[in-house]
Amino acid sequence: SQELEQSPQSLIVQEGKNLTINCTSSKTLYGLYWYKQKYGEGLIFLMMLQKGGEEKSHEKITAKLDEKKQQSSLHITASQPSHAGTYLCGAEATGGFKTIFGAGTRLFVKA
Amino acid sequence: DADVTQTPRNRITKTGKRIMLECSQTKGHDRMYWYRQDPGLGLRLIYYSFDVKDINKGEISDGYSVSRQAQAKFSLSLESAIPNQTALYFCATSPQGQETQYFGPGTRLLVL
Repeated sequence: SQELEQSPQSLIVQEGKNLTINCTSSKTLYGLYWYKQKYGEGLIFLMMLQKGGEEKSHEKITAKLDEKKQQSSLHITASQPSHAGTYLCGAEATGGFKTIFGAGTRLFVKA
Repeated sequence: DADVTQTPRNRITKTGKRIMLECSQTKGHDRMYWYRQDPGLGLRLIYYSFDVKDINKGEISDGYSVSRQAQAKFSLSLESAIPNQTALYFCATSPQGQETQYFGPGTRLLVL
């Protein structure tokens, strides 16, 4: 079965610093989604990537899907306290019509 | 008003009790999902439904059952709750042809 591994599991950064979160798949990715979750709340969709080499940005968050389509990175520039939360990657599971998720990366931003 | 709602938001129950978690959506989506979230394990799919007459098991369906009463409603039941079903449960929806999912706020369940 396909698995998604996220790294790091948690991250503490000083406000204003840049950071990167990675999501690695055990199989080729046909659609990769990034979600953000605030503590105890539901997931909020951030971005979707489908093509190898694709890059998308929303405000200070940029996500990339590598050419081989087995890894994605989420980069936050000049982090702010509002960026704090858990970031999860999700992917269309091969051979099915459902999404699988990584375990998440918990981000803390120190003011 | 929220597009995807879940009731209750919090629930404490005892081992062996039957409980039902409810999900309603106003987005008009055909597809609905139930997940549980445990620390360090991410989200795991329990059941999913692509329309009212289509119900499918996810990766961890044992001990759970579902009912799709209407396009807008998808309920999750624990027939006989056990402590390792303590978790945060999420309902999600998606439109046909898209994998982007829209999540409810979650139900925090504690089984004693």
